[in-house]
Amino acid sequence: NAGVTQTPKFQVLKTGQSMTLQCAQDMNHNSMYWYRQDPGMGLRLIYYSASEGTTDKGEVPNGYNVSRLNKREFSLRLESAAPSQTSVYFCASCPGLASNEQFFGPGTRLTVL
Amino acid sequence: DQQVKQNSPSLSVQEGRISILNCDYTNSMFDYFLWYKKYPAEGPTFLISISSIKDKNEDGRFTVFLNKSAKHLSLHIVPSQPGDSAVYFCAAKGSGSARQLTFGSGTQLTVLP
Repeated sequence: NAGVTQTPKFQVLKTGQSMTLQCAQDMNHNSMYWYRQDPGMGLRLIYYSASEGTTDKGEVPNGYNVSRLNKREFSLRLESAAPSQTSVYFCASCPGLASNEQFFGPGTRLTVL
Repeated sequence: DQQVKQNSPSLSVQEGRISILNCDYTNSMFDYFLWYKKYPAEGPTFLISISSIKDKNEDGRFTVFLNKSAKHLSLHIVPSQPGDSAVYFCAAKGSGSARQLTFGSGTQLTVLP
């Protein structure tokens, strides 16, 4: 099992460009999440998907959109990137039901110039 | 307003001694708490957790203590090893069905040989 995979690992964008961060999990988990990590601020929840077909806003959703393409895949889109979106982005998944543990991907380091 | 706080950005301990990492929370609706460990350029990995109905959970060298009246939890690592050097995040789960987690800002632990 690969667990949670994210692509790309690194990306540099210019202000105003768009891009999609991809995330996939092969653990048959119900719930998936997108976080951003900034220095001194821990991980902040951007969007989540409790189950296939549903998505909801987290703590910092502005400037982002998501798509739960199927049970395995959950993508994060930046329509018009801004320097404030420079961050490390982590995708996570959780089995749901009786489990509270989230499993994280390796992260995408995004720089917006 | 941060609902989960880790007030010590860094901690250094000698190999073989005890490491104590602290976390405070403000939301009394949190019902489950987790500790994650993060190495540079990797995603966080789950370490240990505790339900709000317990006050202690132990797993090998790692023990988590929960003091609900003080809204405080701590992670004890005994004995500390150089491989334990990492950033440790405290996280708390609310009552939402999607098991969203709220993270603290992290504590960088350095174990000196």
